Amino acid sequence: KNQVEQSPQSLIILEGKNCTLQCNYTVSPFSNLRWYKQDTGRGPVSLTIMTFSENTKSNGRYTATLDADTKQSSLHITASQLSDSASYICVVSAQAAGNKLTFGGGTRVLVKP
Amino acid sequence: DTGVSQDPRHKITKRGQNVTFRCDPISEHNRLYWYRQTLGQGPEFLTYFQNEAQLEKSRLLSDRFSAERPKGSFSTLEIQRTEQGDSAMYLCASSSEGGPGDTQYFGPGTRLTVL
Repeated sequence: KNQVEQSPQSLIILEGKNCTLQCNYTVSPFSNLRWYKQDTGRGPVSLTIMTFSENTKSNGRYTATLDADTKQSSLHITASQLSDSASYICVVSAQAAGNKLTFGGGTRVLVKP
Repeated sequence: DTGVSQDPRHKITKRGQNVTFRCDPISEHNRLYWYRQTLGQGPEFLTYFQNEAQLEKSRLLSDRFSAERPKGSFSTLEIQRTEQGDSAMYLCASSSEGGPGDTQYFGPGTRLTVL
C-alpha cells in the first residue's frame, strides 16, 4: 500500500529560527515528490517538486531534499517568519495514469514572535 | 482570478439532506480531481476526470457520492443522504495533461458540516 508518513505532527518555533520537517514514503513506482503549504482553511499550494534524479530544490527560504534510495525527504525552512505558520504536506506521485497523489498527514508549524 | 474556484466555501446541513458542490478548474486544464480532507489529516483522493470522463473512483466514494463533469469544464460533487461522518473539507484540484511533473492546483475547498 502506498503511504507517506510525516514527522513531527506539529512544531512550534520562534520567529527567525530554522526548522526541518521529515517525510518517509513507500510509494512505488516513484514518480516525483512535492511539498505543499496549506494555510488554515485554504487549499494546498505547491512549494517544490523533485523527481528521482533530483536531490535538492529550493524555493526562497524553503529547501527540500530527496534521498530516493532511502525514500526520505526533508523540508528546511530558513529564518522563519510568522507567515510560515501553516501545515506542510509531503505528497508523492506514483507512475500511474491520472497522476494520482498520496498525501502525508502534514506537519503543522506555528511560528511565534 | 484565474485559479481553481469552489462554491460554496462553507455548507452546513442536517443529516439526511443532499448537498452539491461546484468546482471551476483553471480553464485550460484537462484533469480535475476531488479530495476529502478531515481535520489534521492530509487530503484523501476521491475521484478524477480527464475532460468529461471519470477515470477513477476511490473506495471512499460510496454510492451516496456522485461526481460529474458534463462538458469537461466545471464539475459537481453531490452527496446524498448526508451523514455526520461526511463532515470534512472537500478540495478540488486541476492540472493540465502532462508528464510526471504535472502540478495539481488546488481550490480553496468547501467545508461541509453535517449536524
